[in-house]
Amino acid sequence: DGGITQSPKYLFRKEGQNVTLSCEQNLNHDAMYWYRQDPGQGLRLIYYSQIVNDFQKGDIAEGYSVSREKKESFPLTVTSAQKNPTAFYLCASRSGSVSSYNEQFFGPGTRLTVL
Amino acid sequence: DQQVKQNSPSLSVQEGRISILNCDYTNSMFDYFLWYKKYPAEGPTFLISISSIKDKNEDGRFTVFLNKSAKHLSLHIVPSQPGDSAVYFCAASSFNGNQFYFGTGTSLTVIP
Repeated sequence: DGGITQSPKYLFRKEGQNVTLSCEQNLNHDAMYWYRQDPGQGLRLIYYSQIVNDFQKGDIAEGYSVSREKKESFPLTVTSAQKNPTAFYLCASRSGSVSSYNEQFFGPGTRLTVL
Repeated sequence: DQQVKQNSPSLSVQEGRISILNCDYTNSMFDYFLWYKKYPAEGPTFLISISSIKDKNEDGRFTVFLNKSAKHLSLHIVPSQPGDSAVYFCAASSFNGNQFYFGTGTSLTVIP
């Protein structure tokens, strides 16, 4: 079954701790994205990657870091520098080149709660 | 600055009637538009898209209309069903763009 998996579904961390959210896809997509969703707000882009070993900051990258060592994987680390990390985090992927009309496919999301 | 706007946070419609969800955008470089449906605590699922060379695209009960001069698009669901109750996001991108820009969503409730 092709798709995007995110783990864990729910994650709790203590204030001041770093935490890494997993995102894996077996769709053979080149591009991958991380968004966060807060109540009453749309999806805001944290980071995206068009190819392996390359990634770009989105609109709200501060306090987050990513890596793209493999095409299938795009983990997101929420660092202690992120001032308001409690949110619903969504990973997405997209096929084709930058210059193409292709939709993004989303994973099921991870709910991060900072205690 | 929000480049894609959904000004109606919520919408209630009777089962069997038409649901119309609206979306406005400000960036004239956007030429690809999408609608996603999202249930609570799940990822969005793609519904339908339209490129700027068209003004209408249909897929079953779902039709998206694009008015480029007004920078406005709408999603029509006919007939509406209770299972359509969800949050709907519109999104926009440009042909050479790296990003998709999402609206804040409209929560649709279809009343049986």
